[in-house]
Amino acid sequence: NAGVTQTPKFRVLKTGQSMTLLCAQDMNHEYMYWYRQDPGMGLRLIHYSVGEGTTAKGEVPDGYNVSRLKKQNFLLGLESAAPSQTSVYFCASSYLVYYEQYFGPGTRLTVT
Amino acid sequence: DQQVKQNSPSLSVQEGRISILNCDYTNSMFDYFLWYKKYPAEGPTFLISISSIKDKNEDGRFTVFLNKSAKHLSLHIVPSQPGDSAVYFCAASARHNAGNMLTFGGGTRLMVKP
Repeated sequence: NAGVTQTPKFRVLKTGQSMTLLCAQDMNHEYMYWYRQDPGMGLRLIHYSVGEGTTAKGEVPDGYNVSRLKKQNFLLGLESAAPSQTSVYFCASSYLVYYEQYFGPGTRLTVT
Repeated sequence: DQQVKQNSPSLSVQEGRISILNCDYTNSMFDYFLWYKKYPAEGPTFLISISSIKDKNEDGRFTVFLNKSAKHLSLHIVPSQPGDSAVYFCAASARHNAGNMLTFGGGTRLMVKP
């Protein structure tokens, strides 16, 4: 089992560019999440999904969009990157909403 | 307003001694609490959890204590080992609220000196 994988691991964008981060899990989990981690702020939830074809906003959704076309994949999109979106992004999945979440290794994104 | 706070950004402990990491919360609806451990360049990994119906949960060297009246939880690591050096996040959830997610604290960096 690979668990939760994220692509890419690193990326540098210029302001205004767009990109998509891919998250994949092989544990047949229903729930998937995207977080961002900033120094001293812990992990903040961007968007989440409670099943294939569904998505919902988390704590900090502005500037991001998501899609869950397949149960095992959860995509995070930045339509027009801004320097404030420089962060480390983590994807996670869980069997139920309040069960332990399994995290991917993260994507370090820098927007210049 | 942060609902889950870890007021100590860092903690240094000697190998073999006890490490105590603290976490405070403000939302009285939280009824499930978790601790995650994170090494550099890796994602967080689940360590231990506790339901609000308990005041203690133990797993090997790790014990989590919950004081509901004080809205405080702590993670004890005994004995501490150099491999425990990592950032520790506490998280809380209100399970009875449909769709309620985990709220994380800001993290505490633990350094265990050999």
